[in-house]
Amino acid sequence: GENVEQHPSTLSVQEGDSAVIKCTYSDSASNYFPWYKQELGKGPQLIIDIRSNVGEKKDQRIAVTLNKTAKHFSLHITETQPEDSAVYFCAASGQGNLIFGKGTKLSVKP
Amino acid sequence: ETGVTQTPRHLVMGMTNKKSLKCEQHLGHNAMYWYKQSAKKPLELMFVYSLEERVENNSVPSRFSPECPNSSHLFLHLHTLQPEDSALYLCASSQDVAGGQETQYFGPGTRLLVL
Repeated sequence: GENVEQHPSTLSVQEGDSAVIKCTYSDSASNYFPWYKQELGKGPQLIIDIRSNVGEKKDQRIAVTLNKTAKHFSLHITETQPEDSAVYFCAASGQGNLIFGKGTKLSVKP
Repeated sequence: ETGVTQTPRHLVMGMTNKKSLKCEQHLGHNAMYWYKQSAKKPLELMFVYSLEERVENNSVPSRFSPECPNSSHLFLHLHTLQPEDSALYLCASSQDVAGGQETQYFGPGTRLLVL
């Protein structure tokens, strides 16, 4: 079945720097890859997603890249701000459901 | 917010209690989900409902009993829980199930503590 690995588990950056979170998946049939942001006391919120027919997608300061051959996808956040501090989850569609990574706790220091 | 509400937000219960978690979505979606979120573990899918029919039950112990009376409401009935069931329980909805390829919208969760 599908397995999603996410790295790193924690990431600390200075305000204004970039942050990159990487995920790998095992099921080559997976074709939908969303990223969620979870702030303290809230449920996960979708921030960006990508489907297998594109290699990159951008939305202001965030971007996602997908390499289907290598079966990995990454989240890129540029010009990080303190409000970007949260836990980020990647996911891949597999076995008919979304399979989630374990999460990355991002801390942006002012 | 996301259009998915959950009550209560916090719940403390003893192992012999019976309680229920409630979820309501205001998005007109056809699919609803229960997930369990424990520290340092991926979100665990528990149940999936599509048009009020249960389509997935991921080997969840029978002490968790879901109910979906209509496409806008989802309940999780709890009885004789164990301390290891303490976690954040998240409800989500999507337009359809569609093999996991639909965007899922999450509620804020119910933080459950079993003593």
